[in-house]
Amino acid sequence: DTGVSQNPRHKITKRGQNVTFRCDPISEHNRLYWYRQTLGQGPEFLTYFQNEAQLEKSRLLSDRFSAERPKGSFSTLEIQRTEQGDSAMYLCASRGGEETTDTQYFGPGTRLTVL
Amino acid sequence: SQQGEEDPQALSIQEGENATMNCSYKTSINNLQWYRQNSGRGLVHLILIRSNEREKHSGRLRVTLDTSKKSSSLLITASRAADTASYFCASRSGSARQLTFGSGTQLTVLP
Repeated sequence: DTGVSQNPRHKITKRGQNVTFRCDPISEHNRLYWYRQTLGQGPEFLTYFQNEAQLEKSRLLSDRFSAERPKGSFSTLEIQRTEQGDSAMYLCASRGGEETTDTQYFGPGTRLTVL
Repeated sequence: SQQGEEDPQALSIQEGENATMNCSYKTSINNLQWYRQNSGRGLVHLILIRSNEREKHSGRLRVTLDTSKKSSSLLITASRAADTASYFCASRSGSARQLTFGSGTQLTVLP
């Protein structure tokens, strides 16, 4: 257990529905990342928060995706009008602000299946 | 997009043997990290090597980095069945804030 939690762990939804995932990072970490991982591949970066500010978004993050971190603590990732291609593991990671370490601590992930 | 490739894609060895995995990357890096992922779980950080380091050890793990060849290797000595997992290299380049991961090596250690 890295100290990063994600809920739900599994989500099955029908195409066209909206889904929301939550990530609770390690409490003292001000940096939070979302990644997506498909079967047999490494994680791919989606978006990055420093405190409550969303500072970077990948081209993978289409306009159906939105992420927030309203108080600089937990974060949510919402996917609207889900498509079958959105089926993947969604991973959250957090990191402290020290420049001397680059280690990211990952949560267990939310596995999304879109039927 | 993936930063690089890992080789082999899959590796099966007997308990007690050593396992070597290789990672190649495309752009100059600040550091390179290795993570482990058990099936269906999140990633666990194993070791980080900075761009000015050539070798690093942590327990049964040994990592090398060759920036001239843009490659790294992870050696797990005296493997155990519990080492069965996917192993990913990840790097951060320049001012990028995120990690870019390789495609991973699936290691199976047979008891």
